[in-house]
Amino acid sequence: EAGVAQSPRYKIIEKRQSVAFWCNPISGHATLYWYQQILGQGPKLLIQFQNNGVVDDSQLPKDRFSAERLKGVDSTLKIQPAKLEDSAVYLCASSQVRGHAGEKLFFGSGTQLSVL
Amino acid sequence: ELKVEQNPLFLSMQEGKNYTIYCNYSTTSDRLYWYRQDPGKSLESLFVLLSNGAVKQEGRLMASLDTKARLSTLHITAAVHDLSATYFCAVDIPYSGAGSYQLTFGKGTKLSVIP
Repeated sequence: EAGVAQSPRYKIIEKRQSVAFWCNPISGHATLYWYQQILGQGPKLLIQFQNNGVVDDSQLPKDRFSAERLKGVDSTLKIQPAKLEDSAVYLCASSQVRGHAGEKLFFGSGTQLSVL
Repeated sequence: ELKVEQNPLFLSMQEGKNYTIYCNYSTTSDRLYWYRQDPGKSLESLFVLLSNGAVKQEGRLMASLDTKARLSTLHITAAVHDLSATYFCAVDIPYSGAGSYQLTFGKGTKLSVIP
């Protein structure tokens, strides 16, 4: 079974530039998540999709971050314009529908973003 | 706001020793996860604990959940170097009105096992 695919693996940009990350979840997984992991901290949820609808974006800085999941499969996360504090690893994860069974999240390898 | 606290944040131990990592959380939940992260790698699911008193074991790791105390533990038995990694606990709470769950992670415990 293929895992969660993310690209690019690394990205270096200057502040005020824009950047986009791509994620392809495990086939058949309805739920997709974007997490931000700052060095030395645990992942923080940015946005959660159920199919192509947004379930939770309460921690997404909407003035600069946006995300979409067209057709309920692939997703892109964009930052425009980037700030120094956006330097982090951006992790995409997917799971089957999060019901009472407590399905596990499967994480991709992440995109490491450095903003200079 | 849910707070998830792990301790210790850093742990250096010798091979063959036993130790416990603690995860406390601030609001009611009966769903807790443990993940492992190797340097430069993504997160790998270790355990899913879904009820009070749940205990799961895999190799030298054993996780338990006490929902009344809002506490989970990850016990390491006879540590080996291969267990060196960062371990995260994460707590699931229902996301209001959405019929879904929001997973909140602790800061992680960086474990170094010294030969």
